[in-house]
Amino acid sequence: SQQGEEDPQALSIQEGENATMNCSYKTSINNLQWYRQNSGRGLVHLILIRSNEREKHSGRLRVTLDTSKKSSSLLITASRAADTASYFCATDTWGAQKLVFGQGTRLTINP
Amino acid sequence: DAGITQSPRHKVTETGTPVTLRCHQTENHRYMYWYRQDPGHGLRLIHYSYGVKDTDKGEVSDGYSVSRSKTEDFLLTLESATSSQTSVYFCAISDAGTSGRGTYNEQFFGPGTRLTVL
Repeated sequence: SQQGEEDPQALSIQEGENATMNCSYKTSINNLQWYRQNSGRGLVHLILIRSNEREKHSGRLRVTLDTSKKSSSLLITASRAADTASYFCATDTWGAQKLVFGQGTRLTINP
Repeated sequence: DAGITQSPRHKVTETGTPVTLRCHQTENHRYMYWYRQDPGHGLRLIHYSYGVKDTDKGEVSDGYSVSRSKTEDFLLTLESATSSQTSVYFCAISDAGTSGRGTYNEQFFGPGTRLTVL
């Protein structure tokens, strides 16, 4: 069963615009992570946010976490064509070394 | 990319034949994972290992077995392949642990193996 559900399933925007993707989950978590997957490639870790953190930045990425709503968002600012990829959230629970992935958001940046 | 390789990268086989996929790492990470990725299902964990000869089942382990006789190698075996096992298989590694700021468990993924069972 999937823990995380991303919304929207697909997103298409113009280059230079901001892209926002959301992730909702069902049970209490330890960490929430975001990964990117380019077509035909393996997943690449982007950012990790802990359950006691509310916001985190990394370059053009901003992640927020609202544990009361069991949701997270990933914002990519000033999008580029190279940001075209699928984005997945993944969660883990305390003491578990396993991640549970959502189904992903497919992001397309149009030039 | 982290030092993770998967072999083969592509394989076509027939129903009922055994298949073994190999994941090899050069990072000396403790944890290794096998996932399958299918449209509409995202990534689902098949099996994982937390040390040499230490493995555990994931969400979709039926029809799969694993072995880890060395830190660097994690094998996934389909004893008798079925068409429902047609998928893209990813290996991942992690050096999960605890620092002063809490636990960390980022995973690093291999390039994937595309398996087709006819």
